[in-house]
Amino acid sequence: EAGVAQSPRYKIIEKRQSVAFWCNPISGHATLYWYQQILGQGPKLLIQFQNNGVVDDSQLPKDRFSAERLKGVDSTLKIQPAKLEDSAVYLCASSRGAKRGEQYFGPGTRLTVT
Amino acid sequence: SQKIEQNSEALNIQEGKTATLTCNYTNYSPAYLQWYRQDPGRGPVFLLLIRENEKEKRKERLKVTFDTTLKQSLFHITASQPADSATYLCALDINRDDKIIFGKGTRLHILP
Repeated sequence: EAGVAQSPRYKIIEKRQSVAFWCNPISGHATLYWYQQILGQGPKLLIQFQNNGVVDDSQLPKDRFSAERLKGVDSTLKIQPAKLEDSAVYLCASSRGAKRGEQYFGPGTRLTVT
Repeated sequence: SQKIEQNSEALNIQEGKTATLTCNYTNYSPAYLQWYRQDPGRGPVFLLLIRENEKEKRKERLKVTFDTTLKQSLFHITASQPADSATYLCALDINRDDKIIFGKGTRLHILP
């Protein structure tokens, strides 16, 4: 089966600009996750979708980050406006069922904010 | 709040030996615990999942143990190979808070 697809792979923007990331999960996977991974750290969950509903967004900085999953398939994560501390790798993952379990990760988008 | 600690940032092991990585947590026992492998520039890859009522899980050269009394999981790679060199992450799924938390990871180097 095809894996989780993400684009772009790399993005460089200036602070206060906006940026959007796209994720296409594995076909048939109900649950989709966005993580932020800062260099040297483990992934931090930003938001979890179950189909097209939000299950957990407690760690999403909602004043600048937003995410949507239209039709329960693809998802986009947006940052507006970006800050220097948003420089990180943004990982998308998906899993089959409603309960968290084995997650399949995409390659990530490396964001550099200057 | 829940904390998770992986024993060391980096570990060097001679090829052929067993590598043992540690994941310790505080506070609530997770419903289950997962181990992932991450190579540079790539997303994590799932390796093993162990539930709170399981003591041990094996898959080929990999073995995971889970001790809820010690609040610790050990991850073993037997007959280690240079290709096993990577960062290994543990992740806890906390039933009580319905949260998932990843550790910082341990960079494992298998020396030929």
